[in-house]
Amino acid sequence: DTAVSQTPKYLVTQMGNDKSIKCEQNLGHDTMYWYKQDSKKFLKIMFSYNNKELIINETVPNRFSPKSPDKAHLNLHINSLELGDSAVYFCASSQPQEKLFFGSGTQLSVL
Amino acid sequence: GQNIDQPTEMTATEGAIVQINCTYQTSGFNGLFWYQQHAGEAPTFLSYNVLDGLEEKGRFSSFLSRSKGYSYLLLKELQMKDSASYLCAVVNAGKSTFGDGTTLTVKP
Repeated sequence: DTAVSQTPKYLVTQMGNDKSIKCEQNLGHDTMYWYKQDSKKFLKIMFSYNNKELIINETVPNRFSPKSPDKAHLNLHINSLELGDSAVYFCASSQPQEKLFFGSGTQLSVL
Repeated sequence: GQNIDQPTEMTATEGAIVQINCTYQTSGFNGLFWYQQHAGEAPTFLSYNVLDGLEEKGRFSSFLSRSKGYSYLLLKELQMKDSASYLCAVVNAGKSTFGDGTTLTVKP
């Protein structure tokens, strides 16, 4: 059983399109996250949810909108995609202050 | 603010020992994690320190000095499969902030 699963693994799309990435965890964790890893491999937090409530919202353009229907799911919707959005997006979960469990990543390529 | 520094690249020989350093300046501190990330894969947990001292886990050890804002990851008996990026992450108020990572290349 995959602990943190995200789909799709690859996403290729045109500038201006809207896309979503889904994430689910079966670890019973209270907290879920979205991280972005750019081409230089720098891993930067975007959002964090605790029990469906947004607790961290870094300086991310409002074209990015996370949604958590329940504590096991955290989806990421991106509007009006731009070239600079190309990156690998990782979902993760943890108990507070504990180690992160990452999903396998979604490689987003905006053409 | 948060500032976490690691060397960008390191090279070592199979069977040797390598130490990857991490220095940090953060507004708060609840612990420091080390993660390993192979190319094209997700980061995976290696080690955690919250108190000063050494934590040993098989071939991997991690050290923390909170007063110096310093940690290192020690890898012993290096194997080719240890070629990967090693990420230092400081946790504060539920948020993990990552360093830029150190790419380790193990050569035969």
